[in-house]
Amino acid sequence: GAGVSQTPSNKVTEKGKYVELRCDPISGHTALYWYRQSLGQGPEFLIYFQGTGAADDSGLPNDRFFAVRPEGSVSTLKIQRTERGDSAVYLCASSLGAQQPQHFGDGTRLSIL
Amino acid sequence: AQSVTQLDSHVSVSEGTPVLLRCNYSSSYSPSLFWYVQHPNKGLQLLLKYTSAATLVKGINGFEAEFKKSETSFHLTKPSAHMSDAAEYFCVARGGGNQFYFGTGTSLTVIP
Repeated sequence: GAGVSQTPSNKVTEKGKYVELRCDPISGHTALYWYRQSLGQGPEFLIYFQGTGAADDSGLPNDRFFAVRPEGSVSTLKIQRTERGDSAVYLCASSLGAQQPQHFGDGTRLSIL
Repeated sequence: AQSVTQLDSHVSVSEGTPVLLRCNYSSSYSPSLFWYVQHPNKGLQLLLKYTSAATLVKGINGFEAEFKKSETSFHLTKPSAHMSDAAEYFCVARGGGNQFYFGTGTSLTVIP
């Protein structure tokens, strides 16, 4: 079946611009997670949704980062006033429930020039 | 708080020889533990998971991991390495909330 889909696969933009990254989870998965993976590092937790609500957003680094999941399926990670340090691979994962293994998408590679 | 330590950043083995990737966790209770593999420019794939049902866990592609509470370890093993096993491996712990805590990863090289 279809896995977690992330678009775009690559995004290059200039410092100061606004970006949106999209995640389409596996159908029926109620839990959705966003991670950021810098070069040579393991993924770092950003935010977790259970249904439409953000159950845990403690990993968001600052108020330039925001994520939504209005209908409990597709999620969008939004980054305002991008900085060069935001360059990373942004990974999305979904699971059937909070206690279940997470299934990851291929990620969006974000490059801020 | 949870933390995960992968003791080796790089491991190199010859094809057909055993693989050992080491992981230690830090927790005040028995966590749920996972191993994920990441091939270049690909997402993470679940290899296996430990959720207290059995201490020896079998995963996909011939990988196994043994949970040892006394050593707070969850090392990943495979009896015979294959060229296709070359990838980055992550040990992951889930704590009392729903955050997943990733180790820094171990890069496995398989020499023909």
